[in-house]
Amino acid sequence: SQQGEEDPQALSIQEGENATMNCSYKTSINNLQWYRQNSGRGLVHLILIRSNEREKHSGRLRVTLDTSKKSSSLLITASRAADTASYFCATRGAQKLVFGQGTRLTINP
Amino acid sequence: KAGVTQTPRYLIKTRGQQVTLSCSPISGHRSVSWYQQTPGQGLQFLFEYFSETQRNKGNFPGRFSGRQFSNSRSEMNVSTLELGDSALYLCASSYGLRDWTPEQFFGPGTRLTVL
Repeated sequence: SQQGEEDPQALSIQEGENATMNCSYKTSINNLQWYRQNSGRGLVHLILIRSNEREKHSGRLRVTLDTSKKSSSLLITASRAADTASYFCATRGAQKLVFGQGTRLTINP
Repeated sequence: KAGVTQTPRYLIKTRGQQVTLSCSPISGHRSVSWYQQTPGQGLQFLFEYFSETQRNKGNFPGRFSGRQFSNSRSEMNVSTLELGDSALYLCASSYGLRDWTPEQFFGPGTRLTVL
C-alpha cells in the first residue's frame, strides 16, 4: 500500500487563490518531499522538509510537517495557470521512495 | 547541466515482445531509479542502481530487469510484454543513494503502449 496519501484527489480553484493539499503517511520518516508533475511528464522536485522541521518556505510554496499526526500540507499561494499539475508527496519506506496517489490541481483563469 | 534523458519517448509494442528503455542521468549522478506510473497503481518503484549494482528492488515480476553501466547510464528491460505493462516509465537520478541525497531528478519518461 502507498506510504503517502494525498487529499483531496482533485482540486479546482480560480487563479490568484491559494491551494492547499494534504499528505498523510504511515511510518516514521527522516524527510518528506513534494513533487509536481505536469500532464504525462516527469516529476519535478519542489521542496523537502526534514523530520525535525515544522515549516519550510520556497517562493510561493509553504510546507508544514506534523510528525505526531504523520501528516504534511503543501500550500501554494497566489496560484497561477502554470501551477496546474499533479502534486505528489513522497516518503521513504523500506529502502525505497514511495509516492502517494497525488492531488490533481487545476487553476481556472 | 543537462537533465535526465530517456529514450525512446514513445514506444508501441505487442504482447509477448520485449522492450529496452534507456536512461542517461545527470552528469556526476551515480544513482538511477526506475518507476512505473499507471492511472490505477500510481507511481510504483521498480529498482535502484548505484555504481553498477542493484541496491533496491520493488515488487515486480522477474520479467522486469535492469542494469547500470560504468558511466551511470541505465537500461531497463521488460520481457514477454503484457497489456498491463502499458505505462509511463520514469527514470530518476541522484548524486548518491537516497539516504544521502534524497532529492531525485526525473526524466520526461518513456510512454510504453502494449497492444
